Amino acid sequence: DTAVSQTPKYLVTQMGNDKSIKCEQNLGHDTMYWYKQDSKKFLKIMFSYNNKELIINETVPNRFSPKSPDKAHLNLHINSLELGDSAVYFCASSQVTANEQFFGPGTRLTVL
Amino acid sequence: DAKTTQPPSMDCAEGRAANLPCNHSTISGNEYVYWYRQIHSQGPQYIIHGLKNNETNEMASLIITEDRKSSTLILPHATLRDTAVYYCIVRQEGAQKLVFGQGTRLTINP
Repeated sequence: DTAVSQTPKYLVTQMGNDKSIKCEQNLGHDTMYWYKQDSKKFLKIMFSYNNKELIINETVPNRFSPKSPDKAHLNLHINSLELGDSAVYFCASSQVTANEQFFGPGTRLTVL
Repeated sequence: DAKTTQPPSMDCAEGRAANLPCNHSTISGNEYVYWYRQIHSQGPQYIIHGLKNNETNEMASLIITEDRKSSTLILPHATLRDTAVYYCIVRQEGAQKLVFGQGTRLTINP
């Protein structure tokens, strides 16, 4: 039943490690997004993919690399994790022509 | 995208109507007003959107002033589960990204 799912829900890791967060949507949408919500609760878009093609890249460090193997999946790989990467990461999806974006439950990343 | 201004917090009694204001004085003609909310520890949830006419759905009503420089989201009979941060977002038609501000933290009190 879950529309947009993310794994893992929690991720605790050391500085310098590489980690991935996975996102899947079963809504048949053609566009997927990654948003970051920092400790001050500001929610900001990072990437947008439409039909596996990168559409939006909001000046995110190149340590962050999104990968879309198909329309239903958008994974986020982060290299050389830094303390400032600690945040909640939300995946979302929509039809490119639609008004509503559906968000996943979030992945809380803690970098020690 | 035009900037929005919302009060940082509001309180409302359970069962009463919650009226959340939003100013968007620099909105342009092709920009829509969207409302999302984020319940604690969950992802944002779409509520409603409109261009210039008032809109109503099963969750809320959206009242947009005639000059479109401000709007009000109305939750007609607030429940404890409506406690959340409510975001007013101005977005061009066809634009993909949502630009979130600080939102209004609405607390529904029993």
